[in-house]
Amino acid sequence: DAGVIQSPRHEVTEMGQEVTLRCKPISGHNSLFWYRQTMMRGLELLIYFNNNVPIDDSGMPEDRFSAKMPNASFSTLKIQPSEPRDSAVYFCASSLGQVGSSGEQFFGPGTRLTVL
Amino acid sequence: GESVGLHLPTLSVQEGDNSIINCAYSNSASDYFIWYKQESGKGPQFIIDIRSNMDKRQGQRVTVLLNKTVKHLSLQIAATQPGDSAVYFCAENSGGSNYKLTFGKGTLLTVNP
Repeated sequence: DAGVIQSPRHEVTEMGQEVTLRCKPISGHNSLFWYRQTMMRGLELLIYFNNNVPIDDSGMPEDRFSAKMPNASFSTLKIQPSEPRDSAVYFCASSLGQVGSSGEQFFGPGTRLTVL
Repeated sequence: GESVGLHLPTLSVQEGDNSIINCAYSNSASDYFIWYKQESGKGPQFIIDIRSNMDKRQGQRVTVLLNKTVKHLSLQIAATQPGDSAVYFCAENSGGSNYKLTFGKGTLLTVNP
């Protein structure tokens, strides 16, 4: 199994530009999570999906952030317009997401975003 | 020790010593806990988990202890090796159909050769 796949691994962009981060969860996993990690705030959950449906987006910072999961094997996190304070490492994780199953989440390698 | 919402603590040990990393959790309804290890430049990686109906679980060189009375979780690493150097996070889940994990800020473990 290839694990959770994220792209790009690194992204450098200028303030005001649109940024799209991509994630492919582990096949068969029903839950997908987007996190942001910074030195100041640690690992923050932005949004999570179960069976492609957004369940909790309370962690999404503001309207500039949006996430979609059009099918079970793909999700995107979009920032438009991007700002320097969005610079962080963004992780995608997936889990089985079935009642009674282990709650273990498997993380991707992350996308390091730098907004100049 | 570490608590959700506090600054990142650090622990420095000598190679071969045992390490103990602590975590305080706040939600008494949490029934599932995980320890993750994050090496520099990588995503968090599962180490060991424990459910609230247990107070101890052992893995390879690692042991997790859960004290529900004081809402405390610890990770013990035996014979710590340089490869154990990383940031360690505890995470809790309140169970049911909620698959969300709440992560602590992490503890930086440095192993000196």
